[in-house]
Amino acid sequence: QLVQSGAEVKRPGASVKVSCKASGYSFTSYGISWVRQAPGQGLQWMGWISVYNGETKYAQNLQGRVTMTTNTSTSTAYMELRSLRFDDTAVYYCARTFDILTGSDWFDPWGQGTLVTVST
Amino acid sequence: DIVMTQSPDSLAVSLGERATINCKSSQSIFSRSNSKNYLAWYQQKPGHPPKVLIYWALTRESGVPDRFSGSGSGTDFTLTISSLQAEDVAVYYCQQYYTSPTFGQGTKVEIK
Repeated sequence: QLVQSGAEVKRPGASVKVSCKASGYSFTSYGISWVRQAPGQGLQWMGWISVYNGETKYAQNLQGRVTMTTNTSTSTAYMELRSLRFDDTAVYYCARTFDILTGSDWFDPWGQGTLVTVST
Repeated sequence: DIVMTQSPDSLAVSLGERATINCKSSQSIFSRSNSKNYLAWYQQKPGHPPKVLIYWALTRESGVPDRFSGSGSGTDFTLTISSLQAEDVAVYYCQQYYTSPTFGQGTKVEIK
């Protein structure tokens, strides 16, 4: 399973770092993708990291603002989003991917989600 | 990016009746190298993360009831719930993984 960190409230321009702790499987044999969902909206893929070799792929609209990392000693993945804007308010999900080379895969399982609110 | 378009945006179906959701991709997501369509279907209930139902367009995830089935190839796909149950009320999403993943806008399924 994947267990994420708690809700965050941030000011515009700040950064947020969400964690995703994995258990019950071999962490380094898979990848982790991050998907976000704005309130009442659909799902948007943000990017992927191969825990196997550290390769990353990011959605074009987030390039330069997002960084995904992992700590294999604690089986934890991280997503940091910088220069937060009001429209970054969303629930952020981590999800496991089976593909460790391309990042193009379906997602199973998902974390419970972390609400990030950007507000003054 | 490949654009995924679902139809309808919402539908109301009587208990025990069939529900059909369509998903169209802006380009083919079929790979000739492995003869697979790179499409998954998810169910999302309020306050919960999505749950995968179907992958490779027609392979049911373990534990998913057999009333859920996927079909289609190339650019046109369908998720069918053969006999709608109360617990199937949810939003359903299709997702392609032929290239960087993209999702359809979602279809809300309700009881008539």
